[in-house]
Amino acid sequence: GAGVSQTPSNKVTEKGKYVELRCDPISGHTALYWYRQSLGQGPEFLIYFQGTGAADDSGLPNDRFFAVRPEGSVSTLKIQRTERGDSAVYLCASSFLSSTEAFFGQGTRLTVV
Amino acid sequence: AQSVTQLDSQVPVFEEAPVELRCNYSSSVSVYLFWYVQYPNQGLQLLLKYLSGSTLVKGINGFEAEFNKSQTSFHLRKPSVHISDTAEYFCAVTEEAAGNKLTFGGGTRVLVKP
Repeated sequence: GAGVSQTPSNKVTEKGKYVELRCDPISGHTALYWYRQSLGQGPEFLIYFQGTGAADDSGLPNDRFFAVRPEGSVSTLKIQRTERGDSAVYLCASSFLSSTEAFFGQGTRLTVV
Repeated sequence: AQSVTQLDSQVPVFEEAPVELRCNYSSSVSVYLFWYVQYPNQGLQLLLKYLSGSTLVKGINGFEAEFNKSQTSFHLRKPSVHISDTAEYFCAVTEEAAGNKLTFGGGTRVLVKP
């Protein structure tokens, strides 16, 4: 596809369960970013990949959150033992490494009940 | 570390009237500045950005913004809004060496009334 694709678009899970959120970046984009947007707030940075490696994971809130990008393309954000406070829209963005323009996906709305 | 403050959470405006959305930032290093728009049920879209050079930058859909270093501001303006400009607008900053690791403001919801 032409844009950043995120699946699923909506996910409802029970407290304590494990979830995986997927991001397909724009083809050729080596940089990939995850953000979290809570209701009524701006997006907050979680983690940044250059290729396969996490260049900056300083925004991950705790060790229940983990992200991978094994082949330098698709990325998966993994959340263990979900809590109600994890409910938010999770946004993925990608860009060329030297670019100052990031392209965002539509997000995955996660609801923990 | 940087921070971004968008002073207005909501701005109602009549169609064809001008609008200004205020953004102030703080940072101890040089930054790049951005405005993103989020239409209902859509992803964030870049409106415009300031990297260097002229402090007045023009973006898509008739929007422009002015960088004021002394006031650490980057206010967004449009001289005449349309109903289709109804959306949420986010100001963001990044350090020059930090790629697209953006720090966002809390957003301003613009509601254009006929």
